Amino acid sequence: QQQVKQSPQSLIVQKGGIPIINCAYENTAFDYFPWYQQFPGKGPALLIAIRPDVSEKKEGRFTISFNKSAKQFSLHIMDSQPGDSATYFCAASRAGGTSYGKLTFGQGTILTVHP
Amino acid sequence: GAGVSQSPSNKVTEKGKDVELRCDPISGHTALYWYRQRLGQGLEFLIYFQGNSAPDKSGLPSDRFSAERTGESVSTLTIQRTQQEDSAVYLCASSLGLGRAPRSGEQFFGPGTRLTVL
Repeated sequence: QQQVKQSPQSLIVQKGGIPIINCAYENTAFDYFPWYQQFPGKGPALLIAIRPDVSEKKEGRFTISFNKSAKQFSLHIMDSQPGDSATYFCAASRAGGTSYGKLTFGQGTILTVHP
Repeated sequence: GAGVSQSPSNKVTEKGKDVELRCDPISGHTALYWYRQRLGQGLEFLIYFQGNSAPDKSGLPSDRFSAERTGESVSTLTIQRTQQEDSAVYLCASSLGLGRAPRSGEQFFGPGTRLTVL
């Protein structure tokens, strides 16, 4: 019930394309859904996050779409650039209670953007 | 520095030896987390410290793993009698902690310690 399933495992797009990464969760108590970006040799860095009271959130070229009834959320990267090539992780947690902040991560998606 | 720092950056040890990994969180962050990242995998939660509360140890994989944190500062993750399956990158993260809106959930990660057990 704590799993977060992420797909695809890897993704290759051309510059300007719109890669989409999908995640599904099981625990209905989750109420905070961040996406992290990780470059080789570095720790993950928060990219964008959403709470379940909205269905979409956009920050720059990055958009999260959230479907509460389906327990799914996805990351869209508009006008992708070679510098976006990285590993992307979705995650989920509860914003309160004793489990506060304990992130459950997806398996990651390796994104490659060709020039 | 302004970010989370971890040391050492790389550690190679022999099976059966004990290792200590260190994390220096961002100043003022009351919450601290340890995660493990195996090659090609997502991050697995290990342990969570929040202020002076009892830590959430629910993610520790065995009693060979332990962690300590002094107040709201440095934390040490100790792995006793290391096994080859302990080889991974160990990541530390810190956050502002409970009740610190608006982005109190944001965790800032360090660069990790790559542990190799031979």
